[in-house]
Amino acid sequence: GEDVEQSLFLSVREGDSSVINCTYTDSSSTYLYWYKQEPGAGLQLLTYIFSNMDMKQDQRLTVLLNKKDKHLSLRIADTQTGDSAIYFCAESEAAGNKLTFGGGTRVLVKP
Amino acid sequence: DTEVTQTPKHLVMGMTNKKSLKCEQHMGHRAMYWYKQKAKKPPELMFVYSYEKLSINESVPSRFSPECPNSSLLNLHLHALQPEDSALYLCASSRQGADEQYFGPGTRLTVT
Repeated sequence: GEDVEQSLFLSVREGDSSVINCTYTDSSSTYLYWYKQEPGAGLQLLTYIFSNMDMKQDQRLTVLLNKKDKHLSLRIADTQTGDSAIYFCAESEAAGNKLTFGGGTRVLVKP
Repeated sequence: DTEVTQTPKHLVMGMTNKKSLKCEQHMGHRAMYWYKQKAKKPPELMFVYSYEKLSINESVPSRFSPECPNSSLLNLHLHALQPEDSALYLCASSRQGADEQYFGPGTRLTVT
């Protein structure tokens, strides 16, 4: 079955760049997503990338996809304290409704 | 309007109670979802409705009963729950099945 892996924790200084990594196993993954969850809140869709793309940039966020290695990353430029949260990567197949989530990476931004 | 709303925000219920969770979206989305999220874990899919019909049930116990009265509303009826059912219940919607999902803020459920 599908498997999505993330590192558990990332600590970064305010103003630095953060890079959150994700690996997945399903070669039929077509859509890959990054969600942000703040304490006690729902999931906020940050960005997504289709598997036929290598990179997508949206303001401070840059998503890189290495389809050969099944590796996805999210770079946050100029990280702010408001970026402290849990970040989930997720994948889905073209034909299905199901999202498979990674375990989440807790990002702590220190002033 | 790009919002999914959920009520109530918090719910405490006993094991013999019957309660319902509600979810609403006005984005014209035709797929709606229920997820369960335990602390420090990713969301787990429970049910998917597509065009108001149940399309996926992830082997969820019958004490959870979903309902989709119309294309904007999704309910989750709860009956005879167990303490281990305490969790954050998240609703999501998408335009169609394969599109990006937008989540509501969740209902924090505590079963006593």
